[in-house]
Amino acid sequence: GQNIDQPTEMTATEGAIVQINCTYQTSGFNGLFWYQQHAGEAPTFLSYNVLDGLEEKGRFSSFLSRSKGYSYLLLKELQMKDSASYLCAVPNNYGQNFVFGPGTRLSVLP
Amino acid sequence: DGGITQSPKYLFRKEGQNVTLSCEQNLNHDAMYWYRQDPGQGLRLIYYSQIVNDFQKGDIAEGYSVSREKKESFPLTVTSAQKNPTAFYLCASSNGGLRGETYEQYFGPGTRLTVT
Repeated sequence: GQNIDQPTEMTATEGAIVQINCTYQTSGFNGLFWYQQHAGEAPTFLSYNVLDGLEEKGRFSSFLSRSKGYSYLLLKELQMKDSASYLCAVPNNYGQNFVFGPGTRLSVLP
Repeated sequence: DGGITQSPKYLFRKEGQNVTLSCEQNLNHDAMYWYRQDPGQGLRLIYYSQIVNDFQKGDIAEGYSVSREKKESFPLTVTSAQKNPTAFYLCASSNGGLRGETYEQYFGPGTRLTVT
């Protein structure tokens, strides 16, 4: 089976940096996805990591350590619009279905 | 523009009635999915389909039914057997299908169903 854990809530200040962690347990590994979801809206794709290391994409970066079953999403120069839930997801053994973590609700304060 | 549409955005029903949620995609994706999201929780998989005329149960399929008669469409029926149907329902699609490769999922805007 698969299990994913994330902190429930985080708070940060506009302009700061925040790191959202995700730990997972899976019998097979086909990569890890991060999605952003604003309240009442659809999740939107942020990043996909399949190899160890850091992937940078503008203000957002995502890190993966397969040996530790650990990933994090790093958000720099926080803006008010970054207030949202951040979902970590791991595909199943066959790669098609995702198991989603509970999501981390980030509040960015002025 | 390519994308996924779900309608309606808000839906109200009386307890005991079946209701069908629409999901259409014009991305030419093979795979389609239905998720349920409850307040403060992650997404839980209800049903998925990797190819036309075939679908599989997800983690919480009881009280739901689906069909996949066309590649573009994957409607979800919430039956009266579903004990707690009030939730936010999200449809998604991906290129995954039966190829066994991993692709990102694209989500529709969701339907918020309230049953009283």
